[in-house]
Amino acid sequence: SQQGEEDPQALSIQEGENATMNCSYKTSINNLQWYRQNSGRGLVHLILIRSNEREKHSGRLRVTLDTSKKSSSLLITASRAADTASYFCAPLKGAQKLVFGQGTRLTINP
Amino acid sequence: DGGITQSPKYLFRKEGQNVTLSCEQNLNHDAMYWYRQDPGQGLRLIYYSQIVNDFQKGDIAEGYSVSREKKESFPLTVTSAQKNPTAFYLCASSPDRAGKETQYFGPGTRLLVL
Repeated sequence: SQQGEEDPQALSIQEGENATMNCSYKTSINNLQWYRQNSGRGLVHLILIRSNEREKHSGRLRVTLDTSKKSSSLLITASRAADTASYFCAPLKGAQKLVFGQGTRLTINP
Repeated sequence: DGGITQSPKYLFRKEGQNVTLSCEQNLNHDAMYWYRQDPGQGLRLIYYSQIVNDFQKGDIAEGYSVSREKKESFPLTVTSAQKNPTAFYLCASSPDRAGKETQYFGPGTRLLVL
């Protein structure tokens, strides 16, 4: 199983600004998933992007995938206080299990 | 109201004691997972089960045991052999036995050692 590495480890922005988080991985994948974790809670699935997709949208979320660079990014537009959370990426290949990195801790300041 | 439930929310363990964390799902999912999360860290896989009466060790199975007697239930026992059990434990399930698709997480159980 491979682990995605999120960057930056922590990000603090003002409410209304856009937040961008990146994920890098080492080997080829079938899909890559992004999850959010509010403090002391379980993870919530945000988006799954497959290896043959380059971009995917869900509300204020936009995920891109560049398989040639083995990287993905998560963009949150028009951030809100409720977006404050940790965000994890999970690259997956074949029958491997999901492996979660340390995540990006996002803080939205009012 | 479908979903994954974990109980209790907080659990205290005395030295040398075995404790069991509950995980139940009514999503009719085949696969279930247990993860451990330490402060400021990612999740590490303890055990997973792809079908009833079968389960596999994850990356940090030592000191833990599981059972999968029913599709909807996947309890985790933290044994006395686990010397550093204080952590946040998360259970997840997935409709895909191979684990390639979305995982749905419960709210977690925080285990503390007295």
